[in-house]
Order: sequence, then structure tokens, then C-alpha cells
Amino acid sequence: SAVISQKPSRDICQRGTSLTIQCQVDSQVTMMFWYRQQPGQSLTLIATANQGSEATYESGFVIDKFPISRPNLTFSTLTVSNMSPEDSSIYLCSVLTGPYYGYTFGSGTRLTVV
Amino acid sequence: DAKTTQPTSMDCAEGRAANLPCNHSTISGNEYVYWYRQIHSQGPQYIIHGLKNNETNEMASLIITEDRKSSTLILPHATLRDTAVYYCIPGGGADGLTFGKGTHLIIQP
Repeated sequence: SAVISQKPSRDICQRGTSLTIQCQVDSQVTMMFWYRQQPGQSLTLIATANQGSEATYESGFVIDKFPISRPNLTFSTLTVSNMSPEDSSIYLCSVLTGPYYGYTFGSGTRLTVV
Repeated sequence: DAKTTQPTSMDCAEGRAANLPCNHSTISGNEYVYWYRQIHSQGPQYIIHGLKNNETNEMASLIITEDRKSSTLILPHATLRDTAVYYCIPGGGADGLTFGKGTHLIIQP
């Protein structure tokens, strides 16, 4: 299965600023996904990012707040914009791998907004 | 409206089999049942998946009822490292995963 590297692993940011999270995959993948996990909660899908097209956002998530780039088949970024303490969460990227549609996840970025 | 129902938490003694149930009564005919787990502070890890038949791999076994409305994940010889939140997720397309609340499995020494 694919190996995913996510950076940064954690960060503490001031409210009103933005943070860009990077997701690097060791193989070419068509579909990449971004999730948010709020404290004590399960994972929620933010958006799907396919190379060469605009990201598709889930209900409750908008491009102005979570812009996503997908410049090639091995890399994507998620930006958390104009952060507030409510954005404190773990953000994870995931890729679709294998013939059975299994998903591989990165280790996540733990974001704290103060 | 939850797609799955799982116990909030379960305990199991180390070395014993851990049996984790999941109710997915609204699963559609072409959806697989996936099981993932999330060990504290890590990303979710794929365990196993199945459609109709029971499945086994090096990590676990998956038992799916004939009507496909429920399934059971079996960890045959649980160790302390199996302590995690286990998610049962119907799916199978390329639309990402919808996570429920999962079961917090605690392996007791």
C-alpha cells in the first residue's frame, strides 16, 4: 500500500493566521482525501482532491476556508485559513489504493489555534 | 441518521479473542463492509473488508451475516497493542469514508 508523509505533524498557531498542510505520497494516486478530527470526535471528510480538477467539498466545508491544491499525482496541500480556536483539530490526508478500494491514511497534523 | 451501530466501548483480556459487533442494517447490495482502527494519535489503519463471504487475513477475521445486516470483527489473540477505536464502515466506492463513532476496545493485561 502507499506510504503517506504529512507535514507538519503538529503546530500551534495564532488566531487569524493560516496554515498549509502538505501531503506527499510515495506513488501516483488519482484520488486524495482530506479529513478533520475534532477533539474526542470521529473523522469527518472535508473534501476530495483529484489531480487536474477542482476539489469537491462536503457539506459544511467551503473553499475559502479550506483551499486545496493538487498539482500532481503524488502531492496535495490543505490550507486552514483565518483560523479560530474552533479549528483546533487533527487534519489527515488519505489516498485510495488497491484494487479493493482500500484507503491509506497519513499520520495527521495536530493543529492548536490560540 | 447513523449508518452503523457499534458498542461505545468493550473490554477484552489479553490473549483472548476480541469480538466486535456492528449493525449495518441499511447497507446496500453493492457496498462492502470495511473495518478500520485508530490507535491513539495515529491515522486510521485498514484491517479487513468483505462483501458477502467471511474473510480472514493476518490481522483479523470478518464474519458477515447472511442478510448482510450485521458483521463481527474477530481479533483471535488480542494484545495490548490492539487497544484502539475500531470503525465499521459500509462503502466501496471512491467517495471517501463516512466514519461513525466506533468502538473503543480496551485490552486488559
